[in-house]
Amino acid sequence: GQQLNQSPQSMFIQEGEDVSMNCTSSSIFNTWLWYKQDPGEGPVLLIALYKAGELTSNGRLTAQFGITRKDSFLNISASIPSDVGIYFCAVTTGTASKLTFGTGTRLQVTL
Amino acid sequence: DAGVIQSPRHEVTEMGQEVTLRCKPISGHDYLFWYRQTMMRGLELLIYFNNNVPIDDSGMPEDRFSAKMPNASFSTLKIQPSEPRDSAVYFCASSLVGEQYFGPGTRLTVT
Repeated sequence: GQQLNQSPQSMFIQEGEDVSMNCTSSSIFNTWLWYKQDPGEGPVLLIALYKAGELTSNGRLTAQFGITRKDSFLNISASIPSDVGIYFCAVTTGTASKLTFGTGTRLQVTL
Repeated sequence: DAGVIQSPRHEVTEMGQEVTLRCKPISGHDYLFWYRQTMMRGLELLIYFNNNVPIDDSGMPEDRFSAKMPNASFSTLKIQPSEPRDSAVYFCASSLVGEQYFGPGTRLTVT
């Protein structure tokens, strides 16, 4: 099946630093989504991207849908302790609602 | 809206026992998904429904797993008989188009 490669696998940063993570694929997709999962909870949708080249912000989060439609990145500015969690990229495959998830980036924020 | 509701949140059972996980999707959503999450395999799609009809069950690991959606507001995932390797967190998600919303998950431990 489709493979989404997320990097880095994990990050340890200090509070206040900016964070950047990305997701790549060998296939073209029409929708890229970014989710965050807190410990003991389900993934929560952060940002949805529907158009190649699209740049979308949600507070301190910014995500872009790559021009080639094979990649996406997520940036978090001025990180805070509650940013801790696992961040997943996801793409729609086949029918509009079926998602394939990346392997996740685990973010740790130290004070 | 209360979001996607799952029960129970935690389930501990002995090998060989039947386990039933329950999900109430967000009202008005016509897609419902069941996922399994483990450290080794990440988030895996097991089955999904559209308008209460199973569309793709290719992710269901074995015949021991079955899922039903008798109406638009309720779905079950059943494992019979359960085995230790079924231990995982099981998530239910619902959507209209593209953007899936996840429940808090059921952590299943089979001893």
